[in-house]
Amino acid sequence: AQSVTQLDSHVSVSEGTPVLLRCNYSSSYSPSLFWYVQHPNKGLQLLLKYTSAATLVKGINGFEAEFKKSETSFHLTKPSAHMSDAAEYFCVVSEWNTGNQFYFGTGTSLTVIP
Amino acid sequence: SAVISQKPSRDICQRGTSLTIQCQVDSQVTMMFWYRQQPGQSLTLIATANQGSEATYESGFVIDKFPISRPNLTFSTLTVSNMSPEDSSIYLCSVVGGATGELFFGEGSRLTVL
Repeated sequence: AQSVTQLDSHVSVSEGTPVLLRCNYSSSYSPSLFWYVQHPNKGLQLLLKYTSAATLVKGINGFEAEFKKSETSFHLTKPSAHMSDAAEYFCVVSEWNTGNQFYFGTGTSLTVIP
Repeated sequence: SAVISQKPSRDICQRGTSLTIQCQVDSQVTMMFWYRQQPGQSLTLIATANQGSEATYESGFVIDKFPISRPNLTFSTLTVSNMSPEDSSIYLCSVVGGATGELFFGEGSRLTVL
């Protein structure tokens, strides 16, 4: 069965320090993987996506994620946190082989301390 | 990309009433998705709305409670019927777009039921 596990429900970092948001997935087929960000009272915005091309994916606002098939992971990183990064982050996996199914992680709330 | 507009952006409703949420997309799309996001939770798919056919509901969601219309390829409505406080959530409209099949979201409709 397909599933997405976000290993931390809350992450707190100081401004200017690195960010690491962890995501593991299970998939029977070659998945597409996404990270979305949701700021308070906003909809979801795509940060980046992996779709079987380069395993290191660069997204908006300085975020990156690396697809590691052997570890079934797709962790989100940023070298230096900014106050505006405080938001909810969702890891999402999709498998078009099984229809238009998107599986959402439970979300990680990122707090940035000034 | 796809630009999605939802109305209303927020509303406060009385128990037992119904509310219809509208979703307008700036391009023609085959499938539109309706999600629910309960407070502090991740997204749960309610149903998939296909133009010209009945919506497909996920387990735990029924047409009598969440009737959906899809009159054309750019518009859909979701009605939350006979509301109770447990229906207080953000309701999000979404479509699949782009060459890599990512989801695009509206800003969401924030519903509070008293």
